[in-house]
Amino acid sequence: RKEVEQDPGPFNVPEGATVAFNCTYSNSASQSFFWYRQDCRKEPKLLMSVYSSGNEDGRFTAQLNRASQYISLLIRDSKLSDSATYLCVVRGGDTGRRALTFGSGTRLQVQP
Amino acid sequence: NAGVTQTPKFQVLKTGQSMTLQCAQDMNHEYMSWYRQDPGMGLRLIHYSVGAGITDQGEVPNGYNVSRSTTEDFPLRLLSAAPSQTSVYFCASTLRGMYQETQYFGPGTRLLVL
Repeated sequence: RKEVEQDPGPFNVPEGATVAFNCTYSNSASQSFFWYRQDCRKEPKLLMSVYSSGNEDGRFTAQLNRASQYISLLIRDSKLSDSATYLCVVRGGDTGRRALTFGSGTRLQVQP
Repeated sequence: NAGVTQTPKFQVLKTGQSMTLQCAQDMNHEYMSWYRQDPGMGLRLIHYSVGAGITDQGEVPNGYNVSRSTTEDFPLRLLSAAPSQTSVYFCASTLRGMYQETQYFGPGTRLLVL
C-alpha cells in the first residue's frame, strides 16, 4: 500500500466550477501536511500547508482529518490557470521524521 | 536570490557511466534533499542532509552517493548509471519557520540512461 494515496484523475472541470481532491495517508504518526502544485515539466511549488483546524487561502481550502487519516483540497471558482497536478505531501512518515513523502498527484484540467 | 539551481538541465548517459548532478542554494537553508520523479510514482526521496557534513539515506538511495561539504552545495553522484535511473531529478532546500515549512525545488535535471 502506498504511504500517500491520491486519485490520479484527470479531473476535467469548467471554469468557475468547484472541485475537491482527497488524499489518504497510512502512517498515523505523520506530523505535517501540505499541498504542492506542479505544472507540466516544472518543479513542485508549495500551495499551502494543512492545519488541524483547516485553513483557507483565497479560493483554496485545505482540511485535515487525523482520525480518518485524510487530507482534502477544495478549489472554488476554478480558473484556467489552476490547471496543474496537485501533490499531497506528508512529513514524518516511514522515511523518517524529517522527510517528506509525496503522493503521485491529482491532475486538474480546467476548461473554458 | 537565485533560489535553488541545478545543472545540467538534460543529460544522456550510457549504462555504466558515472556523473554528478549539481545542486546549489543561496538561501542559507540547512536542510537539503534529492528526489527522483517517475511517471505514476510521485517524488521519492533519494538522500537528504540536515546540515554541512551530515547526510542520510532516503527511500531509494541505492546507486547514488551524496556529500555536503558546504551549506550551499549538495551534489548527487551516480556511480554506475543504469537504465532504471532514467528519471527527473529534483533538488530541494527547506525553510523551517515557527509556523511554516516550505520546500524550494530546483528546476530539475532530466536524465536518460541508454
